[in-house]
Amino acid sequence: EVQLVESGGGLVKPGGSLRLSCAASGFTFSSYSMNWVRQTPGEGLEWVSSISSSSSYIYYADSVKGRFTISRDNAKNSLYLQMNSLRAEDTAVYYCARNSGNYLYYGMDVWGQGTTVTVSS
Amino acid sequence: QSALTQPASVFGSPGQSITISCTGTSSDVGGYNYVSWYQQHPGKAPKLMIYDVSNRPSGVSNRFSGSKSGNTASLTISGLQAEDEADYYCSSYTSSSTPSVVFGGGTKLTVL
Repeated sequence: EVQLVESGGGLVKPGGSLRLSCAASGFTFSSYSMNWVRQTPGEGLEWVSSISSSSSYIYYADSVKGRFTISRDNAKNSLYLQMNSLRAEDTAVYYCARNSGNYLYYGMDVWGQGTTVTVSS
Repeated sequence: QSALTQPASVFGSPGQSITISCTGTSSDVGGYNYVSWYQQHPGKAPKLMIYDVSNRPSGVSNRFSGSKSGNTASLTISGLQAEDEADYYCSSYTSSSTPSVVFGGGTKLTVL
């Protein structure tokens, strides 16, 4: 079964850091571009970051540029998001999502269940 | 990276057809055929329904169709069913500044 499972969410104080992980299974992880997409409570979806299969192409939303770092370990079938200098507005459910091809313009055809990040003092 | 514009809500009766619009600019929707549509039920992860403007992934009902004209993309659902009640989001590739993906604000579909 094709599956993505996120972990690492939690409660963190403003200015703090958190590292999210996404474990992939059931497909050849190293062949696909991957993304982080977040959703604030009761709000819409916001694309956060994308990384190509070999990590050659990495892109960020303006709202997280300079604070978040996306990475992947193809040997471990894992995607990561290092989040630093966290703000209240980063509070959201964070989804890991696979592109159906090896670039960010492909539709996201596999999604994890999400992990919740809450930034609050 | 401005969000695409979708109507906040759409209503339809079982068996009817509805269309949800998604308006962007020539830098995103109008400039590329990389528009996708996602369905999200409460408490669930989004599900890809349409990609590349009008293509359906395997397993998605042919009651769902997509199209584009200029800077506006559209999702049409025909033969509405109760289980179609959900939030729908469009997204588009954009390279206006750096390559990125922009989502619409979402449309709540209510099946009356």
